[in-house]
Amino acid sequence: NAGVTQTPKFQVLKTGQSMTLQCAQDMNHEYMSWYRQDPGMGLRLIHYSVGAGITDQGEVPNGYNVSRSTTEDFPLRLLSAAPSQTSVYFCASSQQGYSGNTIYFGEGSWLTVV
Amino acid sequence: GNSVTQMEGPVTLSEEAFLTINCTYTATGYPSLFWYVQYPGEGLQLLLKATKADDKGSNKGFEATYRKETTSFHLEKGSVQVSDSAVYFCALTVNTGNQFYFGTGTSLTVIP
Repeated sequence: NAGVTQTPKFQVLKTGQSMTLQCAQDMNHEYMSWYRQDPGMGLRLIHYSVGAGITDQGEVPNGYNVSRSTTEDFPLRLLSAAPSQTSVYFCASSQQGYSGNTIYFGEGSWLTVV
Repeated sequence: GNSVTQMEGPVTLSEEAFLTINCTYTATGYPSLFWYVQYPGEGLQLLLKATKADDKGSNKGFEATYRKETTSFHLEKGSVQVSDSAVYFCALTVNTGNQFYFGTGTSLTVIP
């Protein structure tokens, strides 16, 4: 099973450039989310979606946009990259509606903004 | 609010030593509790979970008990192996599980 697939795995951007991190899941999960992981800060939620056409902000949404046109895909867009967005990004998905549901993570995207 | 506090690392142990990683939480509502593990260069994987008080989650020799009275979910393993070297995250969700709240992670290195 593919699970949660993220691309690209590694990316270097110049300040001001834009890019999209792709995320797809094949488990028919309603809930998808994006996290960033920074040293000493754990994982922080950027944006999440509870279903196609529905998105909401997490803890650190500034500088990022998302959309959810299908159940499977949840891309994360950086409109104008800044060095502060250098981080490791994880996409995740889970079934909706029960706090005991397991969340499944992609393998991560390492982004460096220079 | 909802938050998770786990012991700071890094933790270095010799093979076959006993492991404890402390985790405490605050939550609005009745949380489910999780431990996730991240191996180098990979995403997080579920290690174990518990969804109600006094439940014990276990997997691969790791255990954690949901203690509501002390708001804790400490991770233990009786005899660690080199292959257990990873970063361990404690986490919780509440209500519909829309948001996961993670601790900052504890890095474990096991030396032969």
